[in-house]
Amino acid sequence: AQSVSQHNHHVILSEAASLELGCNYSYGGTVNLFWYVQYPGQHLQLLLKYFSGDPLVKGIKGFEAEFIKSKFSFNLRKPSVQWSDTAEYFCAVNAANQFYFGTGTSLTVIP
Amino acid sequence: EAGVVQSPRYKIIEKKQPVAFWCNPISGHNTLYWYRQNLGQGPELLIRYENEEAVDDSQLPKDRFSAERLKGVDSTLKIQPAELGDSAVYLCASSAHPTVTNYGYTFGSGTRLTVV
Repeated sequence: AQSVSQHNHHVILSEAASLELGCNYSYGGTVNLFWYVQYPGQHLQLLLKYFSGDPLVKGIKGFEAEFIKSKFSFNLRKPSVQWSDTAEYFCAVNAANQFYFGTGTSLTVIP
Repeated sequence: EAGVVQSPRYKIIEKKQPVAFWCNPISGHNTLYWYRQNLGQGPELLIRYENEEAVDDSQLPKDRFSAERLKGVDSTLKIQPAELGDSAVYLCASSAHPTVTNYGYTFGSGTRLTVV
């Protein structure tokens, strides 16, 4: 069965620190990759997506992610986090028209 | 654009009672999904509709869960009877195409169900 792994369950950072959240998937074929964010009390929102082309994808709010096919990874990064980035982050993979979500990473940014 | 609209936002019921959730997708989105998100977990697909047809309901616990999308627009998800383990957030999402488009999915705000 396909799976999406997010190894960091809880991350606590101070403002201005750099962020990297890991995401690995298990599927050997063509995939589309996504990162979603869920702010407290709100619905899931799309941060960024990768379909093809440049493996370094830039999204909203200064986030970016890099697709490394050889490592089956799609890690999310941000050079300098803000308190408002406190949220739950979900990696998702669309493979063979099936959508799989990771278990999420809870990010807390301390002012 | 209104986005995906779900109601109610919150629901508290006693176990063994029925409950229903409603979803209105983005206008023109033929594909509609229901997900369940348990606390601390990622969303898990319950059912996917293409227009009014349920094309993937393999993860739907059919003994107590049912869903319908009669006119291929809005949809309802029902649980009867509810159990304590059904407490979760039920998310609705829609997309314009059966395969994920360049815009991914659009999710609603979800219905938080608490079964006591």
